[in-house]
Amino acid sequence: AQSVTQPDIHITVSEGASLELRCNYSYGATPYLFWYVQSPGQGLQLLLKYFSGDTLVQGIKGFEAEFKRSQSSFNLRKPSVHWSDAAEYFCAGYAGGTSYGKLTFGQGTILTVHP
Amino acid sequence: GAVVSQHPSRVICKSGTSVKIECRSLDFQATTMFWYRQFPKQSLMLMATSNEGSKATYEQGVEKDKFLINHASLTLSTLTVTSAHPEDSSFYICSARQEGLSYEQYFGPGTRLTVT
Repeated sequence: AQSVTQPDIHITVSEGASLELRCNYSYGATPYLFWYVQSPGQGLQLLLKYFSGDTLVQGIKGFEAEFKRSQSSFNLRKPSVHWSDAAEYFCAGYAGGTSYGKLTFGQGTILTVHP
Repeated sequence: GAVVSQHPSRVICKSGTSVKIECRSLDFQATTMFWYRQFPKQSLMLMATSNEGSKATYEQGVEKDKFLINHASLTLSTLTVTSAHPEDSSFYICSARQEGLSYEQYFGPGTRLTVT
């Protein structure tokens, strides 16, 4: 079955440190992948997306993600974390065909930022 | 950018009553809207896909008679939780897909439903 997995439930980093949030996908066809951020009690904000082309994708708020087909991964990175980045992050994706338009979400990773 | 609103942002209702949640695409037309449910500390679970002018498609295990979805226009979809019970308490989030940009969904801010 098509799926998206985020292995880390909770990550803690110090402000100013680098960040990498992991996401693995399981799709038969080329996936369309997204990273969203959710603050407590809020909806989801799109950070970045990958459809095709350049495998290194730049997003908002200084985030980037790299699509690696060989590793079935789409990890989110930020070189220097700010306290305001503390939130929950969701990786999501879908392939075309019968799953067209239906996003599958990972379990989410809660990011805590220490001052 | 594309903006999706939801109303109300939070609602408290008594057990047995019905509550309606609205999802609006403010600056674009959305042929398709999606309704998700999110339990505390969990991921989003797709409940149904709402297409303008046609019946919604529900995911397996979602009671269509309990969660009524109407998508009467290209900018409005509603979710009505009928005969609500405490176990229906949850965070409901809608998203809208912009016509012509098939792979992107824009999410609303969510509605916190508490059934007492």
